[in-house]
Amino acid sequence: GAVVSQHPSWVICKSGTSVKIECRSLDFQATTMFWYRQFPKQSLMLMATSNEGSKATYEQGVEKDKFLINHASLTLSTLTVTSAHPEDSSFYICSVPDTGGGDIQYFGAGTRLSVL
Amino acid sequence: QKEVEQDPGPLSVPEGAIVSLNCTYSNSAFQYFMWYRQYSRKGPELLMYTYSSGNKEDGRFTAQVDKSSKYISLFIRDSQPSDSATYLCAMKGGGSNYKLTFGKGTLLTVNP
Repeated sequence: GAVVSQHPSWVICKSGTSVKIECRSLDFQATTMFWYRQFPKQSLMLMATSNEGSKATYEQGVEKDKFLINHASLTLSTLTVTSAHPEDSSFYICSVPDTGGGDIQYFGAGTRLSVL
Repeated sequence: QKEVEQDPGPLSVPEGAIVSLNCTYSNSAFQYFMWYRQYSRKGPELLMYTYSSGNKEDGRFTAQVDKSSKYISLFIRDSQPSDSATYLCAMKGGGSNYKLTFGKGTLLTVNP
């Protein structure tokens, strides 16, 4: 299976600052990656689909200007939380679909964001 | 009604017990069904993946899909303390739509 590397695993920042989270596909090239958010004791909610070479596709209700996604290469997607506020504190997880049709997604270890 | 319903538990069982985890869904377009295991503060790990109705077995784990009832299950035999985690069901439609819809997850604790 794919190996997905996500960095950092935990970040604490002050309110109003921006935080960048990286997601790397180590095993194969990925034209598509996904970003999820998970609140405590809640399920994963898809935020956006990251597309290499084009704009990300955001789910309804997700602010594209606040959550900037850049799919810089076939192995790297970044999520930047701009002007972070305490309500943005959450667990952010990226995933990479398999190359056999995308039915299976492989997840990174997640990034815990705490905004003070 | 949510697209995917999963009893969040928590579920606590003794070591060696058989565990049954379930999800129901309402969207008939779902064709692929997955179970993920998520340890605390980690990303989900794929456990089982099924397409059609019926059973699929992998070691101590058995996934069951009943499309007519829109009901899926995961059975864990001879449960171990290392099985303690949150179990998430996930589903997707066919074609090029990659979007996964997750259940809330069931927190399982296996006591030694």
